[in-house]
Amino acid sequence: DAGVIQSPRHEVTEMGQEVTLRCKPISGHNSLFWYRQTMMRGLELLIYFNNNVPIDDSGMPEDRFSAKMPNASFSTLKIQPSEPRDSAVYFCASSLSLAGGPGEQFFGPGTRLTVL
Amino acid sequence: KNQVEQSPQSLIILEGKNCTLQCNYTVSPFSNLRWYKQDTGRGPVSLTIMTFSENTKSNGRYTATLDADTKQSSLHITASQLSDSASYICVVLNLSGGYQKVTFGTGTKLQVIP
Repeated sequence: DAGVIQSPRHEVTEMGQEVTLRCKPISGHNSLFWYRQTMMRGLELLIYFNNNVPIDDSGMPEDRFSAKMPNASFSTLKIQPSEPRDSAVYFCASSLSLAGGPGEQFFGPGTRLTVL
Repeated sequence: KNQVEQSPQSLIILEGKNCTLQCNYTVSPFSNLRWYKQDTGRGPVSLTIMTFSENTKSNGRYTATLDADTKQSSLHITASQLSDSASYICVVLNLSGGYQKVTFGTGTKLQVIP
């Protein structure tokens, strides 16, 4: 298995531009997570999908952020308009969640976003 | 408020030495606790997952302990290697609104030197 795939790996954009980050979870996993990591705040959960349905989006910073999961094999995180304070590494993770709770999460390599 | 605090923030040890990282949490109700290792420039990788009833769990040279009464966990690394240099993140899950919520610690940055 290729693991969780994220694209692009690096993104540099100017303030005000739209940014779309992409994630392909591990085949067979039913939960998908988007995280943001900065030096100041560490890892933060942005949104969590289970069976393609958003379960918890309380971590999404504001309306400029939106996430979709149109099918079990693809998710996007969009920032529009982007701001310099959005600069961070964005991780996608997936897991197989069963009745006992979320299983082990497997993280992708991350997308390093720089907003100038 | 659910919080996970890790100590020390950073640590430098000599290759071959042992070390222990600490994690204190106030998350409730507790579901499970996880330790992750994150190499520079990469995503976190799970080391251990511990439930309420587990006191100790090992993964090679890594041994995690959990005291659910005092809400403390530790990660002990034995005979450290240069490849152990990484950030170690403690993550606690709790049940909230019918699903499990995740609270991350800020991590301990470990550097193993020759």
